[in-house]
Amino acid sequence: SAVISQKPSRDICQRGTSLTIQCQVDSQVTMMFWYRQQPGQSLTLIATANQGSEATYESGFVIDKFPISRPNLTFSTLTVSNMSPEDSSIYLCSVSRGAVGTEAFFGQGTRLTVV
Amino acid sequence: GENVEQHPSTLSVQEGDSAVIKCTYSDSASNYFPWYKQELGKRPQLIIDIRSNVGEKKDQRIAVTLNKTAKHFSLHITETQPEDSAVYFCAANLPSNAGGTSYGKLTFGQGTILTVHP
Repeated sequence: SAVISQKPSRDICQRGTSLTIQCQVDSQVTMMFWYRQQPGQSLTLIATANQGSEATYESGFVIDKFPISRPNLTFSTLTVSNMSPEDSSIYLCSVSRGAVGTEAFFGQGTRLTVV
Repeated sequence: GENVEQHPSTLSVQEGDSAVIKCTYSDSASNYFPWYKQELGKRPQLIIDIRSNVGEKKDQRIAVTLNKTAKHFSLHITETQPEDSAVYFCAANLPSNAGGTSYGKLTFGQGTILTVHP
């Protein structure tokens, strides 16, 4: 299994500001992903964090709003930019070693409230 | 892309009864199907998974079945206990390349709130 440290665990932010969430894994992993979980809802993939190159975004998510970095195999950041109350959600980092049928592990999540 | 439908959205059972949650997926190329349990305020935790070359898998009180032809898979929990109460999510992994390898990129179902009454 992989140990994932995600921080901050929660934050309350003013609208119009930005928040950067960090995800640190205890071992090298092939794939890192960022998910959003709105209150009482399922998990929706935001993007795949690619090492050393631009992230791959899912439909409905754009780089200007959710810039992502992945400088190495064990670390990634997600920034939620120019926040509005609609961005209030739990943001989860997920990692996978990329083999067939591989398990995806999740960080503990960042509970973001925008006021 | 992949689309996963999950039913029911809520399920209430008495302790000791069985619980069944069903999911359907849209893309026949999906090859890996995990189930996650999420307790309130906590991260999703994998409870069981199945690959597309297997029809059934069991782990103690939990089992998963897969019907590739019909593109549906189900979670079965027997002898339910109050601590089984949580939200359960199914997911499907659609390989991101023509080689068919999986990369952990998951499409989730809508979730099922399971309540087990003592």
